Amino acid sequence: GDSVTQMEGPVTLSEEAFLTINCTYTATGYPSLFWYVQYPGEGLQLLLKATKADDKGSNKGFEATYRKETTSFHLEKGSVQVSDSAVYFCALDLDSGTYKYIFGTGTRLKVLA
Amino acid sequence: DTGVSQNPRHKITKRGQNVTFRCDPISEHNRLYWYRQTLGQGPEFLTYFQNEAQLEKSRLLSDRFSAERPKGSFSTLEIQRTEQGDSAMYLCASSPGTLDEQFFGPGTRLTVL
Repeated sequence: GDSVTQMEGPVTLSEEAFLTINCTYTATGYPSLFWYVQYPGEGLQLLLKATKADDKGSNKGFEATYRKETTSFHLEKGSVQVSDSAVYFCALDLDSGTYKYIFGTGTRLKVLA
Repeated sequence: DTGVSQNPRHKITKRGQNVTFRCDPISEHNRLYWYRQTLGQGPEFLTYFQNEAQLEKSRLLSDRFSAERPKGSFSTLEIQRTEQGDSAMYLCASSPGTLDEQFFGPGTRLTVL
């Protein structure tokens, strides 16, 4: 069935380090792909998205490229800040008419000053 | 636009009691989703409304769960005869339908004792 697999956390980095959070998916059809972020005590917020193969989503210094050949959508940031500490969720929406999401399990990022 | 709101934010109940949660989507968003998130997991789809019509329900939604969206505005999710396994964060999201992006509320955290 359709699924999203994320690397397990927690991921602990020093400020200004390079970040990669891996995400791979299994899906029939042509889903859109998303990264959502959940800061402590807050709701899920859309970070970036890509709707078709080879699209690159970007926001707040984060980037992810929709790779159909490897069924991946890895999240990257060149220089993380303490304020990036949060839980990051990779998700896809099924191209089924309802566009419901399938989420990964989330990856907790902790950035140390 | 004040975003998606959910009430209550927290609910503690005893096993066997009924509980009801409310979601107010962003105005004029015709799509509304309910998800459930347990500790350490990503949100899981429960049900979907387009306007007032409930178009899809997950197998996760047992007979004890019912959701409504009268007049296509706010939505309620009721759980009857709660069980300890129902303890989770219940998330509501809305979408305008012209975008595949969903906007999430802060969630209602349910604890069943």
